[in-house]
Amino acid sequence: AQTVTQSQPEMSVQEAETVTLSCTYDTSESDYYLFWYKQPPSRQMILVIRQEAYKQQNATENRFSVNFQKAAKSFSLKISDSQLGDAAMYFCAYRRNSGYALNFGKGTSLLVTP
Amino acid sequence: NAGVMQNPRHLVRRRGQEARLRCSPMKGHSHVYWYRQLPEEGLKFMVYLQKENIIDESGMPKERFSAEFPKEGPSILRIQQVVRGDSAAYFCASSPRREQETQYFGPGTRLLVL
Repeated sequence: AQTVTQSQPEMSVQEAETVTLSCTYDTSESDYYLFWYKQPPSRQMILVIRQEAYKQQNATENRFSVNFQKAAKSFSLKISDSQLGDAAMYFCAYRRNSGYALNFGKGTSLLVTP
Repeated sequence: NAGVMQNPRHLVRRRGQEARLRCSPMKGHSHVYWYRQLPEEGLKFMVYLQKENIIDESGMPKERFSAEFPKEGPSILRIQQVVRGDSAAYFCASSPRREQETQYFGPGTRLLVL
């Protein structure tokens, strides 16, 4: 079974600074997808970024980028120029290429201070 | 294009009552997934449905829980004889196809069992 581990229950960052959220996963598959979802206080799950394992290039979406290290099974999320609206729970998720169920980590609560 | 719709957003039930949660996928999406989020936890996969078919219900408790996605109308997650341990947020997600498709989440239904 695939497991996703987020070792940081809480993180804090000042506005305009950069923060990195860590995620590791365990799998014997070679082809899979990784995701970061954001859950603000409204509790809505919002897709932040997605990475296909076969792609060596790290995915980027505006201020959000990932550091995907396939050999190390690591998938960290970097948020640049942090904004107050980035405050939320962030969940890392894994999905096999041939599967459909997303496996989520327990989440990291990000606090953004002025 | 409207997003995934879920209703009700909040549901309060007494022990022993039935809970019905509804999910309307995004337009053009024929695949629906239900997840449950217990307090302080990540989301856990429950069931995957296509129109009129349950594809995988391996994450759903064997008793009291059922799901359907009829040809017409929303997908329904039904919990009979609710217990306090059923209190959680229930999220529905949809995708147009299974493989290589991102799942888009609804706002969730918060179920509270008194």
